[in-house]
Amino acid sequence: GPKVLQIPSHQIIDMGQMVTLNCDPVSNHLYFYWYKQILGQQMEFLVNFYNGKVMEKSKLFKDQFSVERPDGSYFTLKIQPTALEDSAVYFCASSLSGEGTEVFFGKGTRLTVV
Amino acid sequence: GEQVEQRPPHLSVREGDSAVITCTYTDPNSYYFFWYKQEPGASLQLLMKVFSSTEINEGQGFTVLLNKKDKRLSLNLTAAHPGDSAAYFCAVSAGYGNEKITFGAGTKLTIKP
Repeated sequence: GPKVLQIPSHQIIDMGQMVTLNCDPVSNHLYFYWYKQILGQQMEFLVNFYNGKVMEKSKLFKDQFSVERPDGSYFTLKIQPTALEDSAVYFCASSLSGEGTEVFFGKGTRLTVV
Repeated sequence: GEQVEQRPPHLSVREGDSAVITCTYTDPNSYYFFWYKQEPGASLQLLMKVFSSTEINEGQGFTVLLNKKDKRLSLNLTAAHPGDSAAYFCAVSAGYGNEKITFGAGTKLTIKP
C-alpha cells in the first residue's frame, strides 16, 4: 500500500543545534502532518500543512519549529535551536484530502537531543 | 479541545481469549473514529475507520463499537492470536477539513501462548 517514508530513522543532536526531519509523503497526497510521541506517552498533534501553508498547529509547535515542502519535495520539520525536551519520536503523515480520508503514517524519526 | 482517554495502558490475554480496549472522548462533534495498530519498529497501520452514523463495525477478527451517547469507542479482539501483539491506538477527528486527529495514549497488548 501507500507508504510515507521518513529519513533518518534515528538522529542524535547536540542541544542548541538545528535539526531537519525529512518526510516523503504519499505521492498524490495533499495534506501533511507531524505528530510527536514522547516515549511511553501518546502521540500528539503538532501541525498540519496544506497548499503550502500551515493550517493548524498545537501548543507543542513552538516558535523554534517550522515546516515546509518546497516544490513538492520532502515535507520537513525543522527545529532551531533544539532543546532537551524535543527528544521524542516524530511521525509524519499524509492524506489525500482533509476530511475523513485515511491518514498514512511513516515509521517515525527518533530524535535524541543531548 | 478534544480529549481522548484510552484504557487499559497494558493488556495481557491468553491466545484464543478476547481482548477489549476502550476509549472515551469529549468533543460531541467528533465524527470520524479510527483504530490503529503499531507493531514494534513499524508505522501505524489503520485497522478500521468508523463514522458516527454506524455503531457496530466488524473487521477480520475484531469488532468496533461506537456509543455516541456515552462518547465511547471500543475495540474487541475476538480469539486473539500471537500476531495481535502490538500497541493499539484509538483516534478521533471532527472532520472539519483539516483532519486534526487526536490520539489516545495507546494500549500495549500482549498475547500469551
